[in-house]
Amino acid sequence: AQKVTQAQTEISVVEKEDVTLDCVYETRDTTYYLFWYKQPPSGELVFLIRRNSFDEQNEISGRYSWNFQKSTSSFNFTITASQVVDSAVYFCALSGSNFGNEKLTFGTGTRLTIIP
Amino acid sequence: GAVVSQHPSWVICKSGTSVKIECRSLDFQATTMFWYRQFPKQSLMLMATSNEGSKATYEQGVEKDKFLINHASLTLSTLTVTSAHPEDSSFYICTVGRDRGQYFGPGTRLTVL
Repeated sequence: AQKVTQAQTEISVVEKEDVTLDCVYETRDTTYYLFWYKQPPSGELVFLIRRNSFDEQNEISGRYSWNFQKSTSSFNFTITASQVVDSAVYFCALSGSNFGNEKLTFGTGTRLTIIP
Repeated sequence: GAVVSQHPSWVICKSGTSVKIECRSLDFQATTMFWYRQFPKQSLMLMATSNEGSKATYEQGVEKDKFLINHASLTLSTLTVTSAHPEDSSFYICTVGRDRGQYFGPGTRLTVL
């Protein structure tokens, strides 16, 4: 069975601070995919990143960066120089190898509040 | 990426009535669509997998007779909440599955009074 744990329920930081959101996963699959989604107050999920289990390279996209460590089954997300617009709920998710046609298992989400 | 629409975006109904939610894939013929449910301040949980031309596959604990799913065409899946009750109030999200991933609809917020 697949499981995703986001231990941080809520985080508040002052604008311009860096913040890291943690994600730990469990799976028996050798090929799997990890995702991060942002859910702003409107509710619509925004895709941020997809990473496959064979690609452990860290990725940076603007102020966002992701650290995938297979050895610790973690896929952490860092926002650098946070902005008020980053306030949202962030979900980490996991799927099997056929990610387009398999269900996504979501973590419980981390509510991030950026204080101006 | 795929464009997915849902209708209505929000609905308020009285207890005991049935509500139909539509999920449309606007630019892709989807053999598989997924229906998720999100209760307030909780995570998304898969309810069922909608397969075009065949019966939906429901997750454990989801009542198939209460949540009727019809995937009659490659671009449309519908979720009908029958005899809705206040505990069915939730955010319902559909996704379209394709080889490049799953694409999310904007969600439908259901409030049952």
